[in-house]
Amino acid sequence: QVQLQESGPGLVKPSETLSLTCTVSGGSISTYYWSWIRQPPGEGLEWIGCIYYSGTTNYNPSLKGRVTMSVDTSKNQFSLKLTSVTAADTAVYFCARQQLNLVDYWGQGTLATVSS
Amino acid sequence: QSALTQPRSVSGSPGQSVTISCTGASSDVGGYNFVSWYQQHPGKAPKLMIYDVNKRPSGVPDRFSGSKSGNTASLTISGLQAEDEADYYCCSYAGSYSWVFGGGTKLTVL
Repeated sequence: QVQLQESGPGLVKPSETLSLTCTVSGGSISTYYWSWIRQPPGEGLEWIGCIYYSGTTNYNPSLKGRVTMSVDTSKNQFSLKLTSVTAADTAVYFCARQQLNLVDYWGQGTLATVSS
Repeated sequence: QSALTQPRSVSGSPGQSVTISCTGASSDVGGYNFVSWYQQHPGKAPKLMIYDVNKRPSGVPDRFSGSKSGNTASLTISGLQAEDEADYYCCSYAGSYSWVFGGGTKLTVL
């Protein structure tokens, strides 16, 4: 059974960089796409972007320029960096296994709060 | 890449049926049969309920069904049960390895 676990600071100061890592267990990170999806408090889901195990990435145009994703196949991990954060970036961030037609595995989510 | 449009809320009594719509464009919902639906209970991760417009993963009750016409997809829940009360999100492939979610619909079981 594939499991995903997000990790990273829960509090980030405005204008700084939010960094999160997702560790995949119970299966290899190879072969699939992996996504980051976020959910502001009381709001809906927003697809942030995805990364293939080879390192190929694609990002939501609304966040392009601020988002960078990377993958470390040796550790079965992938990561998210979001720069110049504001209060609008406060959200629960989920990592997930992305297929063309569905998201089948999700992490439990981690709350990242942007505040001074 | 605009969010897909869903009603903010729907409601129904136990045993009744409800339908949640999800409207997009020809570049996402209308262009691909890669529409999926997710159920989310408070404080939990979303759970896949429907994929490929109308397919159910193993373990999802057949009370849940999906369909699509043009740029609008729909999720129908028949025989409503108390545990169906949750938020529901549609998602569509939007080409070039990008995806878009709907704004979410809160289902209340009266």
